Amino acid sequence: EVQLVESGGGLVQPGRSLRLSCTASGFRFNTYWMSWVRQAPGKGLEYVANINTDGGEKNYVDSVKGRFTISRDNAKNSLYLQMDSLRVDDTAVYYCARPGRLWAFDIWGHGTMVTVSS
Amino acid sequence: EIVLTQSPGTLSLSPGERATLSCRASQNVDNNYLAWYQQRPGQAPRLLIYGASARAPDIPDRFSGSGSGTDFTLTINRLEPEDFAVYYCQQCRTSPLHTFGQGTNLEIK
Repeated sequence: EVQLVESGGGLVQPGRSLRLSCTASGFRFNTYWMSWVRQAPGKGLEYVANINTDGGEKNYVDSVKGRFTISRDNAKNSLYLQMDSLRVDDTAVYYCARPGRLWAFDIWGHGTMVTVSS
Repeated sequence: EIVLTQSPGTLSLSPGERATLSCRASQNVDNNYLAWYQQRPGQAPRLLIYGASARAPDIPDRFSGSGSGTDFTLTINRLEPEDFAVYYCQQCRTSPLHTFGQGTNLEIK
């Protein structure tokens, strides 16, 4: 079964760090770009970051540039999001997603909740 | 950056009716790299349509996508109870990040 499973979310104070993980199974992970998408409570979807197949190209939405780092370990079929200097407005469910045909996200994880609060 | 504007914000219909959802782009979406997603409460989004009009695997044929350039439409025929959800469009062409629309909430009338 093709699957993405996120972990690492939780409650964290503003200014602190958190690292999210996403483990892939059922497909050749190292042949796909991968992405993180977030959704604040009651809000829409926001594309956070993406990374190419070998990790050499990374892109970020402006609001997280310099604070978040996307990475991957193809040997472990895993995608990561290192989140530093967290802010209250980073509170959201974070999904990892796989872009498939014509770059549409055909596989999504179940999401992991990140709450930034003092 | 391409901005996607979805309308209406909320659509109230009854089961069995037809829903027509709009997604308008601020610039041309090359080669119709436009996707539609459904999100039910508490669930991750699910891909419905890619390439503006191609149905994803296992998506019922009552869902159809159309349009080109800057104007795209998702049509849902004969609404079923499980179709009442939030729908998002996404442009998947202009790098580096593929922006989403703000969503349309399809609710039971």
